[in-house]
Amino acid sequence: SQELEQSPQSLIVQEGKNLTINCTSSKTLYGLYWYKQKYGEGLIFLMMLQKGGEEKSHEKITAKLDEKKQQSSLHITASQPSHAGIYLCGAKPTDSWGKLQFGAGTQVVVTP
Amino acid sequence: AAGVIQSPRHLIKEKRETATLKCYPIPRHDTVYWYQQGPGQDPQFLISFYEKMQSDKGSIPDRFSAQQFSDYHSELNMSSLELGDSALYFCASSLGPGQGRAGYTFGSGTRLTVV
Repeated sequence: SQELEQSPQSLIVQEGKNLTINCTSSKTLYGLYWYKQKYGEGLIFLMMLQKGGEEKSHEKITAKLDEKKQQSSLHITASQPSHAGIYLCGAKPTDSWGKLQFGAGTQVVVTP
Repeated sequence: AAGVIQSPRHLIKEKRETATLKCYPIPRHDTVYWYQQGPGQDPQFLISFYEKMQSDKGSIPDRFSAQQFSDYHSELNMSSLELGDSALYFCASSLGPGQGRAGYTFGSGTRLTVV
């Protein structure tokens, strides 16, 4: 089965600084989804990437999918307290019809 | 815009009791997915339904069953509850196998606590 590794597990960043989270797969990714989760709450959709080399941005968050479609990165510019939370990458296994498998998540803490 | 509605938001049950979780997908979404997220863990896929038929099955215990009804809402029935069943249960919906802008929309989850 496809395994998604996220790194780092957690990070503390000072407000205003940039941060990057990586999501690496052992297999080709067919649809890579980034979600944000506040503790104990639902998953908030951030971005979806499908094509090799694709890059999408929304406000201060940019996500990229590499050409081989095995690694994605999520980059936050000038972090704010509202960026704190758990970031999860999810992907569709090639043999699946719809379900997502998730990485272990990256906890982001933004300090003043 | 309407989102995925899950009920109840919180549920406390005793061991060996049963629980029913409900999920109301976004209007016109025909596919529903159930996930279980234990404390500090990533969501684990349990089961999914497309057009009222089971479309995929993950790590769902035999004590659990689920179905999708004619109005596309889904219910997850959990029997003989164990302490280890305590988790956040998410429902997600999509139109077909998760295409389009967002693909999947998640509900806020039901937090089940088994005591």
